Amino acid sequence: SQQGEEDPQALSIQEGENATMNCSYKTSINNLQWYRQNSGRGLVHLILIRSNEREKHSGRLRVTLDTSKKSSSLLITASRAADTASYFCATPDNYGQNFVFGPGTRLSVLP
Amino acid sequence: DSGVTQTPKHLITATGQRVTLRCSPRSGDLSVYWYQQSLDQGLQFLIHYYNGEERAKGNILERFSAQQFPDLHSELNLSSLELGDSALYFCASSTGSGGLYGYTFGSGTRLTVV
Repeated sequence: SQQGEEDPQALSIQEGENATMNCSYKTSINNLQWYRQNSGRGLVHLILIRSNEREKHSGRLRVTLDTSKKSSSLLITASRAADTASYFCATPDNYGQNFVFGPGTRLSVLP
Repeated sequence: DSGVTQTPKHLITATGQRVTLRCSPRSGDLSVYWYQQSLDQGLQFLIHYYNGEERAKGNILERFSAQQFPDLHSELNLSSLELGDSALYFCASSTGSGGLYGYTFGSGTRLTVV
């Protein structure tokens, strides 16, 4: 069963602009993760945010979590062409055993 | 290099055949997860092993099986292959078990069934 769903499905921006992607999920979670996937490659773990955290930063990445709205957002500031990739949120499944990935947001950063 | 090694990187085989995909987890990780990624289905969880024991099964077909060996490497066996099995197959590893730890993904095996 799919837990998280990213929005928008696709996003195209100019280099230097900020990119915001959202993830909504259905049931209570203890943590949520964001991953990046360059075309045809493996996923790379970006950030894990726990349910008792509201915001987390890593370099140009900022992740927020609103458990009351069951949503999270990933902000990439000052985007670069190298940020072009698909971004996925992952949430624990209903048994808390494994992560379920959403369909992803395809981000294109144009030079 | 993520530390998770998958072989082979590419595999082309005919319908009805059987293939084995191999995964070596990152050093120290006890959990191995297998995922299938196709254009129409997205990233689908197949199966999870922790320290040699099966922990969870997802959308894994009966034609597919997996195991984790004492040295913690894992193999995913796909048999009676169909055209629809063409996909990227990813292995991921993590330190523990359960939805508490981040995953480290391998670079995947691209399977093409012709």
